[in-house]
Amino acid sequence: GAVVSQHPSRVICKSGTSVKIECRSLDFQATTMFWYRQFPKQSLMLMATSNEGSKATYEQGVEKDKFLINHASLTLSTLTVTSAHPEDSSFYICSARTGTAFTDTQYFGPGTRLTVL
Amino acid sequence: ELKVEQNPLFLSMQEGKNYTIYCNYSTTSDRLYWYRQDPGKSLESLFVLLSNGAVKQEGRLMASLDTKARLSTLHITAAVHDLSATYFCAVVKAAGNKLTFGGGTRVLVKP
Repeated sequence: GAVVSQHPSRVICKSGTSVKIECRSLDFQATTMFWYRQFPKQSLMLMATSNEGSKATYEQGVEKDKFLINHASLTLSTLTVTSAHPEDSSFYICSARTGTAFTDTQYFGPGTRLTVL
Repeated sequence: ELKVEQNPLFLSMQEGKNYTIYCNYSTTSDRLYWYRQDPGKSLESLFVLLSNGAVKQEGRLMASLDTKARLSTLHITAAVHDLSATYFCAVVKAAGNKLTFGGGTRVLVKP
């Protein structure tokens, strides 16, 4: 089956630093990648939609200058949390989409747990 | 704006008994997904439902979709401890490609 990896799986950083999270589709080319965040005991909230070679589309309320998304190829998207603060601590999950418009499937990565001290 | 509501939010189950989780959504949808999430882990895909009346079953789990009522159910038969997890439904709006998640149902199966 299709596999999506994320790196790192866990990261702890100091307040004010930047953190980059990678999302890779390992055995397929993803037409679109999505970034979600999940706070403890809550649901997943879509942050942004990313297409290869174009600017990401951010959901309402998500600061695009704080959460930088780069989708350099059909198999790699990165999320950079800039000037991280403790309130950015969360579980970040990416997904990669493949298939046709009606049969497409999103495959989820294993998630990255970010802790900002 | 598409809204997805699940209930109950928490379900304490006894082993061997049957239970149902409900997922309501507010606008026309192309497809509906059910996922399972274990603590500290990402999502595991359970089912995708594409059309009215669709029913899918895997082991003790069965999902169904009523597009007219905008309702999906996830039925658990003879619950076992291994089914303890959080279950999410997620909906893709018609002609869209974004998933909107329900709030999740935390399931705890007690012996």
